[in-house]
Amino acid sequence: NAGVMQNPRHLVRRRGQEARLRCSPMKGHSHVYWYRQLPEEGLKFMVYLQKENIIDESGMPKERFSAEFPKEGPSILRIQQVVRGDSAAYFCASSPPGNRYTEAFFGQGTRLTVV
Amino acid sequence: AQTVTQSQPEMSVQEAETVTLSCTYDTSESNYYLFWYKQPPSRQMILVIRQEAYKQQNATENRFSVNFQKAAKSFSLKISDSQLGDTAMYFCAFMKDQGAQKLVFGQGTRLTINP
Repeated sequence: NAGVMQNPRHLVRRRGQEARLRCSPMKGHSHVYWYRQLPEEGLKFMVYLQKENIIDESGMPKERFSAEFPKEGPSILRIQQVVRGDSAAYFCASSPPGNRYTEAFFGQGTRLTVV
Repeated sequence: AQTVTQSQPEMSVQEAETVTLSCTYDTSESNYYLFWYKQPPSRQMILVIRQEAYKQQNATENRFSVNFQKAAKSFSLKISDSQLGDTAMYFCAFMKDQGAQKLVFGQGTRLTINP
């Protein structure tokens, strides 16, 4: 059973371009979480999605950032018109369905560098 | 809102020594989970240990144990017989018992085990 897969591992974008980060959850997992880690900081929650639904986006910047988790395919975190401050590691975690605690498994992250 | 504070940005010990990493948190919730995650240079987030707030007994996992003081809102991690492979960033994290399983992370402690 493959773990949470994120790609690409590294992404370089020029200011003003779009960045698309992909996350394939573990098999059987229907909950996806995105976190951002700025240099020398802890991870900060961005958004929580279930299949075709955004459940909690309280950590998402109001502009330029969007996320989706379609019925088929990976979850996508999209950043439009990237700026230098978007440079960070973006982590995805997934967990099985259910409302009680189950361990969330993390991917290895995508390091975004904006030049 | 919940906050998690790690007051030790860096720590360094000799191999085989015991080291304790500190973590305090603030919440008005009565039921919650606390975690310690390890992030080695590969950036992979690895769950080290988990504590459920309603359990008085401190969690242990081999060489890793916690000192959970609910009234003081303190959750320290003790690593016994430290090994070179324990060198990593360590993050303390909080999660509410109900609702979205989003984690609130501390700023991290960089632990170096010296030979």
